[in-house]
Amino acid sequence: AQSVAQPEDQVNVAEGNPLTVKCTYSVSGNPYLFWYVQYPNRGLQFLLKYITGDNLVKGSYGFEAEFNKSQTSFHLKKPSALVSDSALYFCAVSSPGGDDKIIFGKGTRLHILP
Amino acid sequence: DARVTQTPRHKVTEMGQEVTMRCQPILGHNTVFWYRQTMMQGLELLAYFRNRAPLDDSGMPKDRFSAEMPDATLATLKIQPSEPRDSAVYFCASGLSGGFYNEQFFGPGTRLTVL
Repeated sequence: AQSVAQPEDQVNVAEGNPLTVKCTYSVSGNPYLFWYVQYPNRGLQFLLKYITGDNLVKGSYGFEAEFNKSQTSFHLKKPSALVSDSALYFCAVSSPGGDDKIIFGKGTRLHILP
Repeated sequence: DARVTQTPRHKVTEMGQEVTMRCQPILGHNTVFWYRQTMMQGLELLAYFRNRAPLDDSGMPKDRFSAEMPDATLATLKIQPSEPRDSAVYFCASGLSGGFYNEQFFGPGTRLTVL
């Protein structure tokens, strides 16, 4: 069965510092991996995805994520945090050849401190 | 700019009343998902359609919830009768089966408050 774990409920980072939001996954075969962001009173917005190829994926708003197959991780990163990055971040996984569903993690609330 | 639309955006109702939430998926998409988001439970999948056929509604309380797709441009989620514990934000998402690597596109949500 597919699963996603986001071990941190909340991450606090000072503005200008690098940030990392952690995600690990479990899936049979090669995964499709996603990060979504949710701003207050909004729906989830797609940030980036890993399908195949380069392990470092670049996405919207300066975010990137690194796929690590041996550690089954897909951590979200940004070199320099902005206050406007404060939001709820969801990691998600699906598998090729399976059904259309995406399995979402519980979410990590990111607070960027001015 | 193709987007998933949901109506109403906010709904306040009294316990026992029927609630209907509507979703218009992105034109050309053939999968529709209904999610419920609460502080306690996070994001829960309620139901999932492909080509208008329900494929999975195991996350939905069957006695009071129902989900349908009357046509390819409309998905509905009904609660009858509503209860205070149904208070949550309900999201619809659409996608293209076999396309976009299962990426889903979310609507803005319906915030439901049951008094």
